[in-house]
Order: sequence, then structure tokens, then C-alpha cells
Amino acid sequence: AQKITQTQPGMFVQEKEAVTLDCTYDTSDPSYGLFWYKQPSSGEMIFLIYQGSYDQQNATEGRYSLNFQKARKSANLVISASQLGDSAMYFCAMRPISGSARQLTFGSGTQLTVLP
Amino acid sequence: DAGVTQSPTHLIKTRGQQVTLRCSPISGHKSVSWYQQVLGQGPQFIFQYYEKEERGRGNFPDRFSARQFPNYSSELNVNALLLGDSALYLCASSLIIGTGIFEAFFGQGTRLTVV
Repeated sequence: AQKITQTQPGMFVQEKEAVTLDCTYDTSDPSYGLFWYKQPSSGEMIFLIYQGSYDQQNATEGRYSLNFQKARKSANLVISASQLGDSAMYFCAMRPISGSARQLTFGSGTQLTVLP
Repeated sequence: DAGVTQSPTHLIKTRGQQVTLRCSPISGHKSVSWYQQVLGQGPQFIFQYYEKEERGRGNFPDRFSARQFPNYSSELNVNALLLGDSALYLCASSLIIGTGIFEAFFGQGTRLTVV
């Protein structure tokens, strides 16, 4: 079984500043992938960034980076230079890479509000 | 290129009724998954289909069923609707189901309200 925990229901950040959204996970799978999705009020889940458990380096995608600490089972999302359009719900998710199960397990999300 | 399309976008049903939700994956994608997102929570996995076969089922009652067609589109059916079935239903498609980077593309969802 897999579990994702996001302990920050809501976060505020000033425009142009950096913000870290926390995510911890628990799994018995030997290899797995970690994901972050953004969900605006429109409802669509937008893929942001991926980190494989076997990756040695932290993933980066533009202004997004994933601070992966395997020993601590954490996969925090860092957004640099926040923009007003970053205001949305953010979900951390994971799935096993091996085995037959391919579904994503999501956390409860963090509502990010960027202040002008 | 068209993304994942879901229909309808909004739906209001009465308790006890049946509903069918539809999803068209991205062209070339053979895997479709369904998720239920209750207000204020993260999405919960319902079904996954690959090459028209069920490959995974979440912890949902038998009132929920799904199928995938030869063109890889999919339908989610919910019978005997309950108030608790009110949620955003998300469909996700992906190119492969095997190992490697798995990027699931989601549709905008169908918002179901049961009254």
C-alpha cells in the first residue's frame, strides 16, 4: 500500500518569492515514481514534475524543482519566482514502477495563494 | 493535438439514477484511468484499462463499472447513485502502462452532482 501525506492545507507566498510545498510518502515498493500536479479551479490536473526513486539527481522543470530525500521519504516541490498564475491546488502523487499496479496515489493537496 | 476530452462537463442526477461518463484519450494513448475527486480531497483511483482490458480496480463498490472500446475511448458507469457519489470524475490517459516515466494526462473532468 502507498500513502502520500501533505501537511499544509494552505500556503501563501508573495509574488516573485520562492515557496516549498511539503510531501512525505510511504511505500513498500522497491521502485516508484513521484509526481506533482497543479489543479486550477477549472479542475484539470496539470503535470508539473516527475522524480524516479532511482534518480540520483533532483528533478527540475523550469521554475519547478523537486527536493527528493529518499531516506526521509520526502519529495517537496519548490516553486521559484512565484507568479500570480501559480495560485492553485497542488497535489503530490506516487505510483509503483514495478509490479502490476499502475494507479496514482494522491495526497490531500495544498492550496497555494500567490499575493501581489 | 487534442488533449483528453471528457463529456459531459457537468451533470445533475437524482439519487437512485444511473450515469455514464465518457472519456476520449489522447491519440495514440492506449491506457485510460478513472479517478474520483470529492470536494476538498485528492483524487481516488477507480479503474485502469489498457488495450481494452481492466488492469486495476480501486476500492469502489460494484455500482461502479467501466469499459474501454476498440478506439481506446472509455466509459464509466455508476448505478444506483448516492449523494456521496457527488464528485469531480477525472479521466487520465497515458502512452504506456509499463515501466519508465509515466506521465498521465488528465481531462478537465465531469462534475457530477447527485441530489
